[in-house]
This record gives sequence, structure tokens and C-alpha cells, in this order.
Amino acid sequence: GENVEQHPSTLSVQEGDSAVIKCTYSDSASNYFPWYKQELGKRPQLIIDIRSNVGEKKDQRIAVTLNKTAKHFSLHITETQPEDSAVYFCAASMNTGFQKLVFGTGTRLLVSP
Amino acid sequence: NAGVTQTPKFRILKIGQSMTLQCTQDMNHNYMYWYRQDPGMGLKLIYYSVGAGITDKGEVPNGYNVSRSTTEDFPLRLELAAPSQTSVYFCASSYGQGGTEKLFFGSGTQLSVL
Repeated sequence: GENVEQHPSTLSVQEGDSAVIKCTYSDSASNYFPWYKQELGKRPQLIIDIRSNVGEKKDQRIAVTLNKTAKHFSLHITETQPEDSAVYFCAASMNTGFQKLVFGTGTRLLVSP
Repeated sequence: NAGVTQTPKFRILKIGQSMTLQCTQDMNHNYMYWYRQDPGMGLKLIYYSVGAGITDKGEVPNGYNVSRSTTEDFPLRLELAAPSQTSVYFCASSYGQGGTEKLFFGSGTQLSVL
């Protein structure tokens, strides 16, 4: 089955710096890659996703890149702000519509003022 | 819309006790899921449902049961609680059609088995 590895497990940056979180997946049939943000004590929320027919997607300060050949995808956050502090989870799925997602183990991002 | 509603928010069980975690959604979503979240381990899929009357096992189904008698409700049953089931449980739903894959999560249930 699918296996998703996520690095780093923790990431500390200064406000205004960029942050990059990387994930690798094992199943070349996976075609959907979302990123979820979970603030302390809150529920996970989708922040951005990408499909296998796209190499990059941006949404304001957040971007995701996908390298299908190498089977890895990354989350890029520019101009980080303290409110970006949270745990970020990557995930991969072979299906669209119905989501049998396999999640990474999460990255705790701390943005210091 | 209330979205996805889970109850209870917290619960302490003794080993061997049973309980049901309730989950209901008012978005008319076809797909519903139960995940557990252990510290440092991400989210693991326990069970899922693609519609009323249809359920299937996820990655970690042992010790749990589910039912889906209506589109809105997807309860998770623990029959004989064990310490290994101490975790945070999240219910989620998604519309699932037309490329709408976004998962909507409930607020979670913190369960401790002692």
C-alpha cells in the first residue's frame, strides 16, 4: 500500500522567512496530494492540494510543487507569519472523489516574531 | 450549516468498556470517514463509507465497528476498549463528486482508556 514520509518533523523560522516541508510517496498510482493545517487543539483544514497532471500550484503565500518522477511533493510558505504556526500534514491518494488518503506524520512549524 | 459535529469531546473509559462516538454532518456529503490521530503519527483511517448502507475498512479497523443507516450519521463503536485505543478521533466528510475532494473534519474526540 501507499506510504507517505514527511520531513522535517519540526521546523522553526523567523517571521518573514520562507518555510519548506517535503513529502515522498511510494505508490506511483497516487494522483492527488493535499496539504492540511492543524492549529493547536483544532481540527485539520485543507489549505492547498495538487493533482498529478499539474507540477505547481500557488495560492497567495502558499505553493505546492510535485515531482512525479521522483515521487515527492513539497509545501512552500513565503513571508511566514506567527499565525502560520501549526502542524502541517501532507497526504496522498489514488482516487479522486472518494478520499482514501494516506497521511504523513506531520511537521510542526513554529514562526517566531 | 453546522458542518461535521462530533460528540463527545472528551471521554475516559475503563478497559473493557464500550462506547459509541457520534458523528453527523448536514452538508449532504456522500462520503464519511473516521480517523484516529496518535501523537507524532499523523492520521490513520479506521473506517469509511461511500453512502448510506455501505461501509468498508481502512488502515486500522481492528477493535472498531461502524454503521451508516442515513446520509447524515456515521457512528463509530468501540466494543471492548483497550489502552491502545487511547487517541484523538476525527470524523470527516466529503462531497466526493465533480472533483470536490476537500475533507471537512469534526472537532475531534479525545479518548483515554485506563
